[in-house]
Amino acid sequence: DAMVIQNPRYQVTQFGKPVTLSCSQTLNHNVMYWYQQKSSQAPKLLFHYYDKDFNNEADTPDNFQSRRPNTSFCFLDIRSPGLGDAAMYLCATSREKGWSNQPQHFGDGTRLSIL
Amino acid sequence: AQRVTQPEKLLSVFKGAPVELKCNYSYSGSPELFWYVQYSRQRLQLLLRHISRESIKGFTADLNKGETSFHLKKPFAQEEDSAMYYCALSRGDDKIIFGKGTRLHILP
Repeated sequence: DAMVIQNPRYQVTQFGKPVTLSCSQTLNHNVMYWYQQKSSQAPKLLFHYYDKDFNNEADTPDNFQSRRPNTSFCFLDIRSPGLGDAAMYLCATSREKGWSNQPQHFGDGTRLSIL
Repeated sequence: AQRVTQPEKLLSVFKGAPVELKCNYSYSGSPELFWYVQYSRQRLQLLLRHISRESIKGFTADLNKGETSFHLKKPFAQEEDSAMYYCALSRGDDKIIFGKGTRLHILP
C-alpha cells in the first residue's frame, strides 16, 4: 500500500551526466517536497510544490530543478551532477499547506551515486 | 536561525530500561515539533507531534518552551524500538527542519 513511490531505489550516473529522479503519489496531496539527505546528516529541503506553485529554497543549487506535470507526479532533475550530489533523495507529500496539515508522508528514497 | 539539535548520534539502552532521546530547538516564534522514526529498511514516518499530546507505541514527548526542548521518552524500552529517530520543527509554513537524528539501539 505504498502511497509515495520513488523510482528507482538506486540510481548510478556519471559525473556531469543529467539524471532524473521520479516520485509519484496516490494520496492526492497538494504539496510535494524533495529532500536531500547525505550520510549522517539531516534531510535538507531542496524545494516544494504547492499544487503548481514552485517554491525553491534559497540555498538549493541551480543544478537542481523540479517538474510537477500533474498532481500525482513530481520529478527531480540534476543537470550536471557532481560528486557532492551523491546522496539519498527523499520525496514527501502533505495534504495541504501549513504545519497543521503535517505530517509529511515520505517515499523510500532514491540513493544516487555518481561515478 | 532555526535549528534542531539532537546531541546524541547513537544511544544504546537495555531492553526494559527507560529511554530518553534529547532534542533542543532554536526558534523565535511558536514552533510545531515532531518526532519522525525510520525503522530498518522502512521509510521515514511520523511518530508523534507535540500538538496532539498523544502517546504512540509507548513514547511521549513534552514541549518545554523554557528549555526549548522536546525530548522523546519511553519508560520501558522494547527491542522493536531500535530505529533512527529524527526530531523536527515546523515554522508554521510548509517547511520542516530536521535534526541530524539519533540511532536508538536496544540491547537484549
